[in-house]
Amino acid sequence: QVQLEQSGAEVKKPGASVKVSCKASGYTFTSYGLDWVRQAPGQGLEWMGRISGYNANANYAQKLQGRVTMTIDTSTPTAYMELRSLSSDDTAVYFCARVNMLRVNDYWGQGTLITVSS
Amino acid sequence: DIQMTQSPSSLSASVGDRVTITCRASQGISNSLAWYQQKPGKAPNLLLFAASRLESGVPSRFSGSGSGTDYTLTISSLQPEDFATYFCQHYSSTPPTFGGGTKVEIK
Repeated sequence: QVQLEQSGAEVKKPGASVKVSCKASGYTFTSYGLDWVRQAPGQGLEWMGRISGYNANANYAQKLQGRVTMTIDTSTPTAYMELRSLSSDDTAVYFCARVNMLRVNDYWGQGTLITVSS
Repeated sequence: DIQMTQSPSSLSASVGDRVTITCRASQGISNSLAWYQQKPGKAPNLLLFAASRLESGVPSRFSGSGSGTDYTLTISSLQPEDFATYFCQHYSSTPPTFGGGTKVEIK
């Protein structure tokens, strides 16, 4: 069965960076893309970007350009999302979600809470 | 970017009620619309895609309709496990954007 297992919650100080992992199992990793989506406390869902499991090409939400980097390691297989220059506005639960052939997010990780606080 | 406007933002309903949630796109999205259910502390769960196609394992009391810019999610007979927040999402172009969500609460 398809599973996406994310790394654990972290607390970061303003200005720091965070790297969240998403380990995939139960499907052919290189045949699907992965989205990263975040959700601030009590808020809606915000798409952050997408990375191809095939060739690691990534595109990012315009508002995060320059602060976010998405990578993959096909050997493990795991996807990573690094966000730099954190501020309190980045406090959120971060999800990875598989992108199927129809470009729909059919499987989601359990989420990783990132808290930015001094 | 395509904006998704979802309404209502919340509603109160009783078990057995018929519930309808709407989602309007700022431009046509050619039925490239998904609906998700999210319970507190959990990841979203895909219910429907292509506006009206039920994801495997999702109960048939959930249905979707619409075209162009206007789409609807209907729960024909609300069950206790359906109390949750529902989100629409278009995937017709990048970035795929979400509606603001509809919280379905117990009356």
